[in-house]
Amino acid sequence: QSALTQPPSASGSPGQSVTISCTGTSSDVGDYNYVSWYQHHPGKAPKLMIYEVSMRPSGVPDRFSGSKSGNTASLTVSALRAEDEADYYCSSYAGSNNFVFGTGTEVTVV
Amino acid sequence: EVQLVESGGGSVQPGGSLRLSCAASGFTFSGHWMHWVRRVPGKGLVWVSRISSDGSSTTYADAVKGRFTISRDNAKNTLYLQMNSLRVEDTAVYYCARSGYSIGWHYFDYWGQGILVTVTS
Repeated sequence: QSALTQPPSASGSPGQSVTISCTGTSSDVGDYNYVSWYQHHPGKAPKLMIYEVSMRPSGVPDRFSGSKSGNTASLTVSALRAEDEADYYCSSYAGSNNFVFGTGTEVTVV
Repeated sequence: EVQLVESGGGSVQPGGSLRLSCAASGFTFSGHWMHWVRRVPGKGLVWVSRISSDGSSTTYADAVKGRFTISRDNAKNTLYLQMNSLRVEDTAVYYCARSGYSIGWHYFDYWGQGILVTVTS
């Protein structure tokens, strides 16, 4: 149950795009299309942004998109806005009703 | 409106016990898997445990297996986490989270605000 690997930080200017990677193994990310992404503002409840690799829940802007290739999933935030500044975590189903999260990425809008 | 409210956190000595509760409202509690997830200060989210909608099936992260017990009372719309033999490394903010369902129960669609558990001598 090792954590999925994410870059510690990412940044972009307002209006630009930022892409966050999430690297796992053939036992989690690579084996299941069950990758999800969460936005977390410190002190608040985490918020689901993407599920099943690329599905967006109702209410999440289409500026947020997800994809996966092999053992690596990605979250892209387009047209960055100040309110997108937060920590982002990926998660994957890991089989046998186990789950694993990524190490987290702090997104800064500069 | 879906609401999840954790309680029962606090400070405890190593080797001690705590029971966390999560009061759920705004949805059919008995129809959803539920989870506990924790965030160690300065670090990331870590999945802790999961329980099926009827409570008959549970799974745990290796780090807490044999020490933590997840349970639920569907009549009271409440999720629990009994934490025994607590260690300093269990210090974290603990979140309860609801599983959303699509192809399966593979993501967390609503979260509580979290409750702090501090294990210190």
